[in-house]
This record gives sequence, C-alpha cells and structure tokens, in this order.
Amino acid sequence: QKEVEQNSGPLSVPEGAIASLNCTYSDRVSQSFFWYRQYSGKSPELIMSIYSNGDKEDGRFTAQLNKASQYVSLLIRDSQPSDSATYLCAVNYNFNKFYFGSGTKLNVKP
Amino acid sequence: DAMVIQNPRYQVTQFGKPVTLSCSQTLNHNVMYWYQQKSSQAPKLLFHYYDKDFNNEADTPDNFQSRRPNTSFCFLDIRSPGLGDAAMYLCATSILGSTADTQYFGPGTRLTVL
Repeated sequence: QKEVEQNSGPLSVPEGAIASLNCTYSDRVSQSFFWYRQYSGKSPELIMSIYSNGDKEDGRFTAQLNKASQYVSLLIRDSQPSDSATYLCAVNYNFNKFYFGSGTKLNVKP
Repeated sequence: DAMVIQNPRYQVTQFGKPVTLSCSQTLNHNVMYWYQQKSSQAPKLLFHYYDKDFNNEADTPDNFQSRRPNTSFCFLDIRSPGLGDAAMYLCATSILGSTADTQYFGPGTRLTVL
C-alpha cells in the first residue's frame, strides 16, 4: 500500500507570514510530486509539480523535495486569506498512478 | 479552453437506484481517472483507463463500474448506491509517458444518496 502522509492541521498563520506544509511518502520509486489546493466543495487545483531534489519556486510558492528522506514540502510566502484551503500532496508512482495525502488545512488570519 | 467537464455537478439518487456520472475532456489525454472523495479525506482512486485499457483498484467495490467509449468520454456507473457512496466524485486526466505527467481535474460531481 502506497502511503502519503500529511499533518491534517489546521495550520494557522497570520497574514503575511510564511506557511510551511509537509508531506512524507513511503515508496522510494516515486517519480514525481505535486501540490494541489482544494477549497471546500471544489475540486483540486494544481499549484506546483516537482521532479528533482531541491527547490522549485513559482511566485509565492516554493516546493522542496528530498528523495533520500522521502519528503516534499510547500512553502507559501506572504500568506493571504485567499490561501486558506486544504493542501493536498500527491505522488506519482509507476504508470501514472497518483496517490494523495488527506491534506493539510491552512487558515490564514487577517 | 481545453478542459475536463463533469456532469451533472450535483446528483441526488435514492438508495439502490442506479446512477451514471459522466466526464468529458478536450485535452486529448490518453489516461482518465475516477476518484471518490469523502469529507476531509484523500481522493481515493477507483479506477483508471490508459486509452481503452481498464485498470481497477483492488479495493474498488464491484458496485462501481466504468466505461470509456472513446478518448473524450468516460462514465462512472454505480449500480446500487448505498448511503456510504455519498461523496464527491472527481474525474481527472493525464498523459502517460510524458515528462509533464500532471493530472487535470474536472469540477467534480457531488452525489447525495437518500
């Protein structure tokens, strides 16, 4: 069974702060990693994908991948109230099968 | 715009009454997925198609069936819905074999079972 683990939260940060979200996965053959944002009652929306060890930045978002330690993280700089949502970590194992964590709920307080 | 479309967005059915959910895509992706997501839980993969090749997850109940008549369309059939099948059903697509293996989700269908 492929495991993708996330802290369910809620994670509360003040507006303008950095939010740090973490995810661990169980299978070393995992090839690619994704962060999705999901607002209540809506479908997941892709924020970032990352394939190689290190950091990948896109605007206020930075994804970090460490395959040796089997974790991937997402940093959100200058957090805004509109960032309040559940953040899902997804891992692509062989042949395009994606497994999701149960998500971390983020609250950004004005 | 290329996209993934799901119909209906909200579906109410009665206990035991068959229901079909539909998904269409204009992305021309060769892989289509169905997920079930219950409140505060991870999306759970039910099955996926690579072209017409059907791949069922081992723990997907027999009550759930799927059809993919062509590249663009995929259907989820729930033969006898139970109260436990009430959930959001998400359709997604991706391209197998591409370095850009991102999944794209439709808006989902919220299923209520009375």
